[in-house]
Amino acid sequence: GENVEQHPSTLSVQEGDSAVIKCTYSDSASNYFPWYKQELGKGPQLIIDIRSNVGEKKDQRIAVTLNKTAKHFSLHITETQPEDSAVYFCAASIAPLDASKIIFGSGTRLSIRP
Amino acid sequence: DSGVTQTPKHLITATGQRVTLRCSPRSGDLSVYWYQQSLDQGLQFLIQYYNGEERAKGNILERFSAQQFPDLHSELNLSSLELGDSALYFCASSPQGGRGVTDTQYFGPGTRLTVL
Repeated sequence: GENVEQHPSTLSVQEGDSAVIKCTYSDSASNYFPWYKQELGKGPQLIIDIRSNVGEKKDQRIAVTLNKTAKHFSLHITETQPEDSAVYFCAASIAPLDASKIIFGSGTRLSIRP
Repeated sequence: DSGVTQTPKHLITATGQRVTLRCSPRSGDLSVYWYQQSLDQGLQFLIQYYNGEERAKGNILERFSAQQFPDLHSELNLSSLELGDSALYFCASSPQGGRGVTDTQYFGPGTRLTVL
């Protein structure tokens, strides 16, 4: 079955710097890759997603890149701000979305230093 | 705010007891998913319903059951509770439930269950 590995588990960056979180997946059939942000005491919030027919997607300060050959995808946050501090989860699934096949990474706790 | 609501926010109970968690999906979403999040297990998919019918099953214990009602809200029933059932339980919803259609899940704020 699918396995998703996420690195690093914790990340601390200076405010204004960039943060990069990386995930690798094992099932070449996976073709939908969402990223979730979970703030303390709240549920995961979808922040960006990418489907395998594109290599990069950007939304303001957030971008995701996908390398299907290497089976890895990354989240890039530029010009980090204190409100970016949270736990970030990557996930991989087969689109159409089959809930029984969506696998989440173990999460990255991002801290932004003032 | 994702539009998914969950009640209660916190629940404290004793071992052996039974509890019911409730979820209301986003307006128009037909599918509901339940997840368990514990410190050592991450997000684990439990079960999915689509328009009242079970669609997919994950690592859900036999002591747990769920259903989706005609108004599309869902309940997760946890019985014979054990200490290890203490966790955050999240509900998510999506418009079409996935199969055959590109879909996105939106998560609720969760219910924190503490079993003493």
